[in-house]
Amino acid sequence: DQQVKQNSPSLSVQEGRISILNCDYTNSMFDYFLWYKKYPAEGPTFLISISSIKDKNEDGRFTVFLNKSAKHLSLHIVPSQPGDSAVYFCAASALLPGANSKLTFGKGITLSVRP
Amino acid sequence: DGGITQSPKYLFRKEGQNVTLSCEQNLNHDAMYWYRQDPGQGLRLIYYSQIVNDFQKGDIAEGYSVSREKKESFPLTVTSAQKNPTAFYLCASSINPRQPQHFGDGTRLSIL
Repeated sequence: DQQVKQNSPSLSVQEGRISILNCDYTNSMFDYFLWYKKYPAEGPTFLISISSIKDKNEDGRFTVFLNKSAKHLSLHIVPSQPGDSAVYFCAASALLPGANSKLTFGKGITLSVRP
Repeated sequence: DGGITQSPKYLFRKEGQNVTLSCEQNLNHDAMYWYRQDPGQGLRLIYYSQIVNDFQKGDIAEGYSVSREKKESFPLTVTSAQKNPTAFYLCASSINPRQPQHFGDGTRLSIL
């Protein structure tokens, strides 16, 4: 059962335009969400996160929006640059007993930014 | 520079052999994790450790074993019981379980 879903496997946008990457989740216990960026043959790098007490978090060109009622979040990249071309993973976590927590990742979406 | 080091980057082993993947971090993080990535798939959690001398199974622990004898080190052993071990393995660490994880550059394991 996939608890974090990135239903579009790929996205292509023109340089300078907005990229919108979507993510849906099913576990209502998730309260912390993250986006990671990954280049081939490298580990993912953390981009931006959002807690469930917020509906928006912004960091430079990257903004994450959270719609808890729809169990949906999205990452907006404005303006998109060719160097943004990578695989983007959505991840979510819930607080577990004993203060444990672990991330659940989506399958990722490949973003291509055309010059 | 602080970071996570995974070695080697590429690893080849014969079928039936156990193999150990190294993960070292100098970030002074308490929590460490092992993930597996297959083509077209997300990252799946194998094992995680919140603190030294303690670890828990993740979603796909069968055929794997770990140890956490030192804060800096979290080696993963892929045993002969793992049915499909060929994959890209990623190690990560975080200050605590609720903080973003920092990843190493991965080890690609191929079974000949």
